[in-house]
Amino acid sequence: NAGVTQTPKFQVLKTGQSMTLQCAQDMNHEYMSWYRQDPGMGLRLIHYSVGAGITDQGEVPNGYNVSRSTTEDFPLRLLSAAPSQTSVYFCASSYSRVASIDEQYFGPGTRLTVT
Amino acid sequence: DAKTTQPPSMDCAEGRAANLPCNHSTISGNEYVYWYRQIHSQGPQYIIHGLKNNETNEMASLIITEDRKSSTLILPHATLRDTAVYYCIVEYGGATNKLIFGTGTLLAVQP
Repeated sequence: NAGVTQTPKFQVLKTGQSMTLQCAQDMNHEYMSWYRQDPGMGLRLIHYSVGAGITDQGEVPNGYNVSRSTTEDFPLRLLSAAPSQTSVYFCASSYSRVASIDEQYFGPGTRLTVT
Repeated sequence: DAKTTQPPSMDCAEGRAANLPCNHSTISGNEYVYWYRQIHSQGPQYIIHGLKNNETNEMASLIITEDRKSSTLILPHATLRDTAVYYCIVEYGGATNKLIFGTGTLLAVQP
């Protein structure tokens, strides 16, 4: 298994541009999520999905859209990039939506800079 | 807001046990304690979790006090590769898997 993969690894955007961060998992996991991590901070939840066709907002959803058309993929779209969205983005997945049953597996991250 | 308090940093000598404390004085009866770690900008990695009994796996042991207001993660024989930020997280066990990460403890293992 490749686990959780994220592309691209690095990205530089200009303010106002849009882009999609890709996340895929090959473990048939039900639950997937996106976090962002700013320098010196912990991770903050952006959006999550408990299954194909179902998504919901986390702590910091503004400026981001998600969709889950397949079990494997959970792309994160930045609608109009702003410098405040400069961060490292992590995708995660787990077999169960229930926290106590299964651990979350994290991808390697995408480092995004918005100028 | 994170429901836990951890020291910002700790040192440990290589080969010795690393004991990482976590305070969670407002924990409720159905909330679990989870530990993850993040090695230098990589994605976080699950270590262990528990409700009230002590837990052990191949990576670490988790000791939860009887009143459940604090816990300790023990790495029995720390190596240089264990240098990382360790996050203690409290979350309702039946909840959707929405873990809230604080700023964690930076454990520096010294040779």
